[in-house]
Amino acid sequence: NAGVTQTPKFRVLKTGQSMTLLCAQDMNHEYMYWYRQDPGMGLRLIHYSVGEGTTAKGEVPDGYNVSRLKKQNFLLGLESAAPSQTSVYFCASRTAGWETQYFGPGTRLLVL
Amino acid sequence: AQKITQTQPGMFVQEKEAVTLDCTYDTSDPSYGLFWYKQPSSGEMIFLIYQGSYDQQNATEGRYSLNFQKARKSANLVISASQLGDSAMYFCAMREPDSGGYQKVTFGTGTKLQVIP
Repeated sequence: NAGVTQTPKFRVLKTGQSMTLLCAQDMNHEYMYWYRQDPGMGLRLIHYSVGEGTTAKGEVPDGYNVSRLKKQNFLLGLESAAPSQTSVYFCASRTAGWETQYFGPGTRLLVL
Repeated sequence: AQKITQTQPGMFVQEKEAVTLDCTYDTSDPSYGLFWYKQPSSGEMIFLIYQGSYDQQNATEGRYSLNFQKARKSANLVISASQLGDSAMYFCAMREPDSGGYQKVTFGTGTKLQVIP
């Protein structure tokens, strides 16, 4: 039981490049979330999913797209990376109730 | 207005003492929830405790308890018997419905707790 895993752990991109961050969970959770954390700040919600095939926008969705083709995977895409997207990205999943939540270890992204 | 306000950027507590981390929130929806998370220097996010707006009792999880005062819109985290391993950033967060009928989550800016031996 790996919990929530994120791939890659660290990445450097040049402005304008694209990439996909993968979040995988093996707990059969319906709900999955992508957050970003900038220095000195709390997490901000980018997009989330309430089940396979469904996604919704969070607080800061611009410049990102997501897909949830399989229940266990939640992908976050950057089509044209910008330096403002330099951040640490966290994925999370939870059960139907809010009392149990798990976070991935984070992906550190640097956009030059 | 800030949705979640944590007014203590940093706090110190003596080992084995109790400490209270403050959090106030702002929402007009009657159905919401409040969370606390711990982020050690290693960077991972650890979920600690959750309180729903309709819960009658304050949430407790081991040494953590959430002091929920609805009228004051506060949700303070109390850590009893502090340990050195409690040194970390602590974030308060709130979930509330969004315009699409789903739930959105907002985090505060955090409080850095340092436990002194």
